Amino acid sequence: SSELTQDPAVSVALGQTVRFTCQGDSLGNYYATWYQQKPGQAPLLVIYGDKNRPSGIPDRFSGSSSGNTASLTITGAQAGDEADYYCSSRDTSSNHVIFGGGTKLTVL
Amino acid sequence: QVQLVQSGAEVKKPGASVKVSCKTSGYNFAGSYMNWVRQAPGQRLEWMGWINPNSRGTKYAQKFQGRVTMTRDTSISTVFLEMRGLRYDDTAVYYCARSLSAYYFDTSDHWGQGTLVMVSS
Repeated sequence: SSELTQDPAVSVALGQTVRFTCQGDSLGNYYATWYQQKPGQAPLLVIYGDKNRPSGIPDRFSGSSSGNTASLTITGAQAGDEADYYCSSRDTSSNHVIFGGGTKLTVL
Repeated sequence: QVQLVQSGAEVKKPGASVKVSCKTSGYNFAGSYMNWVRQAPGQRLEWMGWINPNSRGTKYAQKFQGRVTMTRDTSISTVFLEMRGLRYDDTAVYYCARSLSAYYFDTSDHWGQGTLVMVSS
């Protein structure tokens, strides 16, 4: 079955730009989805279809994908962006949903 | 506005069953798939399956086949997740999550608040 790999943690200085990556074979065939999850809260959809932002998500959040790697970029990170970020896609063979291990963002 | 309100926390013994509900409002209940996703303490999100409230059709992750059943009651716009044969490692927060669209069935744009299921002797 397919897997999605994310860096466990990343930090960024307040106001700077941070990029998360998600790697997996399935990303060559299916789009990536990105969720933000703060402690004790349900996930929040921030990017879908590789690069689309749902309504209400600031344009500081952007997504892209190339080959087997999808990326989420936050431009001008804020303290409120501290959270875990999960990528998601589909398993190549079963079409089932798969999640990456998540990346913990710390804003310094 | 779209709302998904889940039932309260449960404590169950190993081998028991649990049924979690997810009451929806603010949209056409039959028009959107519903995913179930769980998260064990400190672990990643884990997709369990989806249900099509219109057709009752379901798709389960292989890991949960035979142990999980997803159902719905259209009269009260509610979906249910039942899990049997609970084990200690089923301790997790269980979320219902509405699919964005038929095309983006794997993308969840609205989530319930989560239901903690604790398996303890």
